[in-house]
Amino acid sequence: DARVTQTPRHKVTEMGQEVTMRCQPILGHNTVFWYRQTMMQGLELLAYFRNRAPLDDSGMPKDRFSAEMPDATLATLKIQPSEPRDSAVYFCASGRRTATGNTIYFGEGSWLTVV
Amino acid sequence: AQTVTQSQPEMSVQEAETVTLSCTYDTSESDYYLFWYKQPPSRQMILVIRQEAYKQQNATENRFSVNFQKAAKSFSLKISDSQLGDAAMYFCAYRSPPYNTGKLIFGQGTTLQVKP
Repeated sequence: DARVTQTPRHKVTEMGQEVTMRCQPILGHNTVFWYRQTMMQGLELLAYFRNRAPLDDSGMPKDRFSAEMPDATLATLKIQPSEPRDSAVYFCASGRRTATGNTIYFGEGSWLTVV
Repeated sequence: AQTVTQSQPEMSVQEAETVTLSCTYDTSESDYYLFWYKQPPSRQMILVIRQEAYKQQNATENRFSVNFQKAAKSFSLKISDSQLGDAAMYFCAYRSPPYNTGKLIFGQGTTLQVKP
């Protein structure tokens, strides 16, 4: 089965350290989303790309977060420097338009803990 | 901007019974997509059902069906013959069409408890 692959699955890091999360979208998908999930805020859209171009990153704190798609098979989300409030589950999702609809598929998430 | 609202933080249902989860949304677009996702404790996001706004017929997937009321901007999920494995958090989501922003946004979620 094709699936969205995220690494790392779990990460514990110290405040101030750089964190990079990676996502491999499903082959052929041209849209990639990054979400953050916390108990307080729910699912927040951080950024998304279409055909590797960033379309909207208004939900992302610009001072410490950055998102890129160096190629069609890799999306990255970087936090530098990390803070305890960044502790959350980060999801990557991908999708493409088909004749039958627009379905977005999610990875299993990267669980980040910043201590 | 589009918004999605799930007004029921928690719901419970007896096994084998039927439960309906509510979702409303706000948009000025006429063409869009609506989804229900299930998130079990593992945190995996699983697509349950999808509805295209241009289709008047309500989508169904086995025990899951929706009541899509476009004029009222309502999109509820009905789960029939509830099973213990249905216990999870359920998210309603709205997606703008790809020729617009293509953005996918979520409601706050409803936690469903299934009682044996």
